Amino acid sequence: EDQVTQSPEALRLQEGESSSLNCSYTVSGLRGLFWYRQDPGKGPEFLFTLYSAGEEKEKERLKATLTKKESFLHITAPKPEDSATYLCAVQSVSNFGNEKLTFGTGTRLTIIP
Amino acid sequence: GAVVSQHPSWVICKSGTSVKIECRSLDFQATTMFWYRQFPKQSLMLMATSNEGSKATYEQGVEKDKFLINHASLTLSTLTVTSAHPEDSSFYICSASRRADEQYFGPGTRLTVT
Repeated sequence: EDQVTQSPEALRLQEGESSSLNCSYTVSGLRGLFWYRQDPGKGPEFLFTLYSAGEEKEKERLKATLTKKESFLHITAPKPEDSATYLCAVQSVSNFGNEKLTFGTGTRLTIIP
Repeated sequence: GAVVSQHPSWVICKSGTSVKIECRSLDFQATTMFWYRQFPKQSLMLMATSNEGSKATYEQGVEKDKFLINHASLTLSTLTVTSAHPEDSSFYICSASRRADEQYFGPGTRLTVT
């Protein structure tokens, strides 16, 4: 069974204070690792997909990296608008042959002005 | 691009009644749609996957007779919660995919069963 563990559960940072969020996973046949941002009461917003160890992707203040066992979401000089829950998910093929995402429980990030 | 809508955004129903939730891909054709459920402070849990024109495939532990899914077109999927009970109260989120390496999520529907 695919498993995704995210840490820390919650993180409070001062505006401008850089940090990293961790996503460790076990999966049989990784097709991709996804990062999403979710605001309260809303659906997840797509950020990145990573496919192989060593791959990196950047978007504004966010950078995602991938190893064979974990992924990191680095946030550089965050702003209050970066406050959200960040979700990590692994994609694999289900028993029915469908592409399936298994999510972690997320890291709730709060940026203090 | 890649916008997914859900309707309604919230619904309150009485125990024993049925409620239908719609999921639409507004600017693309979705070959596959997914339905998730999210309880407070918990992860999104995949309930079922549906491909246009075929029967949905349900995850283990999800009652297919209770959660009816119809994927009638490349832009519309519906989830009907039949004979709803208070324990079915949750946040239901759909996603739509046109390629295997992407899933775009709707804004979610908050269901409260009284």
